Amino acid sequence: DAGVIQSPRHEVTEMGQEVTLRCKPISGHNSLFWYRQTMMRGLELLIYFNNNVPIDDSGMPEDRFSAKMPNASFSTLKIQPSEPRDSAVYFCASSRSGTDDNEQFFGPGTRLTVL
Amino acid sequence: QKEVEQNSGPLSVPEGAIASLNCTYSDRVSQSFFWYRQYSGKSPELIMSIYSNGDKEDGRFTAQLNKASQYVSLLIRDSQPSDSATYLCAVKFTGGGNKLTFGTGTQLKVEL
Repeated sequence: DAGVIQSPRHEVTEMGQEVTLRCKPISGHNSLFWYRQTMMRGLELLIYFNNNVPIDDSGMPEDRFSAKMPNASFSTLKIQPSEPRDSAVYFCASSRSGTDDNEQFFGPGTRLTVL
Repeated sequence: QKEVEQNSGPLSVPEGAIASLNCTYSDRVSQSFFWYRQYSGKSPELIMSIYSNGDKEDGRFTAQLNKASQYVSLLIRDSQPSDSATYLCAVKFTGGGNKLTFGTGTQLKVEL
């Protein structure tokens, strides 16, 4: 089975540009999570969805960040406009909610550099 | 504030020794506990989960949970250089929905 798929794997952009990160969860998983990882702050949860519905977006840093999940197999995280402090690795993870274990599986990540 | 704390390390152990990684958390009402391994430049990889007090063994890995003392640990027996990585502890807190709260990770170095 394919794991969580993310694209692009690397993104270099200039300050002020729009950035869109994409994620395809593991088939059959109904929870999807977006994380950001930096050396300074570690792994931070930005937002998560259950059954395509946003449940907790308290980790989204500001209005420049938005996330959507139009269907069970696709989600996007958008930053508009991007800033140098947004440079980080962004991970998408998925799990099967409603079970006791709720184990999350991570995608390979997108390394974002904003110049 | 529900928190998960880990010593950042690095923790250095010789090859073949037992590596002991510890994690404490701030809330007694917690459901599930997970250990992830993250190699440099890679994504976190789930290696162990534990849900009840006691020990859970999987190959060279043993997870230990003590809810009364609010700690969870990971033991790696017969440590190998390939075990050198950052180990992240994650907790699913009751009332937190499906989200996990991660510690900042402990860097493990297994030396030849």
